[in-house]
Amino acid sequence: GAVVSQHPSWVICKSGTSVKIECRSLDFQATTMFWYRQFPKQSLMLMATSNEGSKATYEQGVEKDKFLINHASLTLSTLTVTSAHPEDSSFYICSARDGGQGSGPQHFGDGTRLSIL
Amino acid sequence: GENVEQHPSTLSVQEGDSAVIKCTYSDSASNYFPWYKQELGKRPQLIIDIRSNVGEKKDQRIAVTLNKTAKHFSLHITETQPEDSAVYFCAAKFGNEKLTFGTGTRLTIIP
Repeated sequence: GAVVSQHPSWVICKSGTSVKIECRSLDFQATTMFWYRQFPKQSLMLMATSNEGSKATYEQGVEKDKFLINHASLTLSTLTVTSAHPEDSSFYICSARDGGQGSGPQHFGDGTRLSIL
Repeated sequence: GENVEQHPSTLSVQEGDSAVIKCTYSDSASNYFPWYKQELGKRPQLIIDIRSNVGEKKDQRIAVTLNKTAKHFSLHITETQPEDSAVYFCAAKFGNEKLTFGTGTRLTIIP
């Protein structure tokens, strides 16, 4: 089945640091990838939709200069949390949709737990 | 945009009994409805999905029903086992649009 790899799985860093998270589709081409944020005991909140070769579409309330998204290839999207602060601590999960399946299911990465001290 | 409501938020059932989780959606154009299971600290995993051209789909102990007229769909788990304990999320979308998730149901199976 379709596999999405996300790295790193856990990050602990000081306030003010920028953190990059990678999301890769391993056995399929993902023209569209999604970035979610999940707080404890809450649902997944979509942050942005990443399309290969074009600018990401951000959800209302999500700062595009704070959360930089790059989708440079059909198998890789990156999320960079710039100048991270304690309130950015959360579980970040990416997902990818198989470009060959049109409106097919989304496959999730393992998530990245980000802790800002 | 789409709005998905999910009930109940928590559910405890005795091992071997059935569990039912219900979701309603607002956009009548939505045509794809997946269910995800998420264990603590792990990724959401797709367990079953249904498209709007069918009313029911079953996979072993798991089934999903869809009522397009009422705009609601339900997850049914029969003969529940301790490993079914997790948080379950429903979702809905139209075509290639983004998924809208429900708020989740924490299912606990009591041995």
